[in-house]
Amino acid sequence: KQEVTQIPAALSVPEGENLVLNCSFTDSAIYNLQWFRQDPGKGLTSLLLIQSSQREQTSGRLNASLDKSSGRSTLYIAASQPGDSATYLCAVRPRSGSARQLTFGSGTQLTVLP
Amino acid sequence: NAGVTQTPKFRILKIGQSMTLQCAQDMNHNYMYWYRQDPGMGLKLIYYSVGAGITDKGEVPNGYNVSRSTTEDFPLRLELAAPSQTSVYFCASSYSPNEKLFFGSGTQLSVL
Repeated sequence: KQEVTQIPAALSVPEGENLVLNCSFTDSAIYNLQWFRQDPGKGLTSLLLIQSSQREQTSGRLNASLDKSSGRSTLYIAASQPGDSATYLCAVRPRSGSARQLTFGSGTQLTVLP
Repeated sequence: NAGVTQTPKFRILKIGQSMTLQCAQDMNHNYMYWYRQDPGMGLKLIYYSVGAGITDKGEVPNGYNVSRSTTEDFPLRLELAAPSQTSVYFCASSYSPNEKLFFGSGTQLSVL
């Protein structure tokens, strides 16, 4: 059974720092991996989706990498801002299964201090 | 540009009551999902659908039922509510497994 782990559970950084969020998964037979952002009391917003054949995806100040062989993905946030404060979740979709259901990590709660 | 719309946003139920959580999407997505999120935990899949008339169980289906009569709508039915069903429920959709997942804003449900 696929397990997805995100460590640390919480992270606090001063504004302007570059930071890396980690996601690890136990089964490398994945179809794709997504990073989501969740603001308090809100739904999840998909930030980046990396297909299994890709190594990284970029969107603005965000860069996500994928290393299937080691079962790891990272989300790099450049020049962090207070508006980046949120919980970040990663989720993997397995290669097998009729709808290829996502397995979610429990998230990293990021606080960017002004 | 509505996306995924969930109603209600909040609800309090008494033990044994029933209710339906509504979910609608206007993006012509084939795949729709219901998740629950408990504090400090990742999301758990309750039910999913790959198209109108086709539904299947996820990881935690007990106590719930779904139907998918149209592409747009995917309601979640709670029968005989129990305190263990206190959670935040999210509906999500995507065009295919290969594409991004879009979420509704959630329904916070308390069963007392």
